[in-house]
Amino acid sequence: NAGVTQTPKFQVLKTGQSMTLQCAQDMNHEYMSWYRQDPGMGLRLIHYSVGAGITDQGEVPNGYNVSRSTTEDFPLRLLSAAPSQTSVYFCASSYSNVLGDTQYFGPGTRLTVL
Amino acid sequence: AQKVTQAQTEISVVEKEDVTLDCVYETRDTTYYLFWYKQPPSGELVFLIRRNSFDEQNEISGRYSWNFQKSTSSFNFTITASQVVDSAVYFCALSEARGNTGKLIFGQGTTLQVKP
Repeated sequence: NAGVTQTPKFQVLKTGQSMTLQCAQDMNHEYMSWYRQDPGMGLRLIHYSVGAGITDQGEVPNGYNVSRSTTEDFPLRLLSAAPSQTSVYFCASSYSNVLGDTQYFGPGTRLTVL
Repeated sequence: AQKVTQAQTEISVVEKEDVTLDCVYETRDTTYYLFWYKQPPSGELVFLIRRNSFDEQNEISGRYSWNFQKSTSSFNFTITASQVVDSAVYFCALSEARGNTGKLIFGQGTTLQVKP
């Protein structure tokens, strides 16, 4: 099993550009999520999905879109990049959204917006 | 409100020293889960342990041990005989029960540097 994979590993964007961060898992997990990590703030939830076709907003959803057409994939789209979106982005998955299910994280994407 | 506090921003020790990373949490839930994750310099997040609120037994895994105390709302992590490979950022996290979002509430992280 590859676990949770993310591409790209690094990305530099100019303000106003759009892009998609890719996330895939091969563990047949129903639950997937996106977090962003900023210095001194830990990780914060952006969007999550409890299964294919179902997504919902987390704590900091503004400026991001997600979709979940398959169980395996959960891409994160930046519609019009802003410098405030410079961050490290982590995708995670777990068997379900049942309280306490362990979430496994991908390797992260380091995004810089100029 | 739910919150996780890791008051130690950075800790530096010399190899073979023991070190304890503190984690204090706030929640009104009676059922909850606590986690520790390790983020080595390569950047990925590695799951270390999960503990539920009804199990206060301490856990030991090799050089790692965890002390969960509901009375003080703490879930501290001790590394015995630290090694250079333990250098990393360590995150404590709390599961949020409200809304079945699967959300984890993370502390700010503690950067541990183990010097040879």
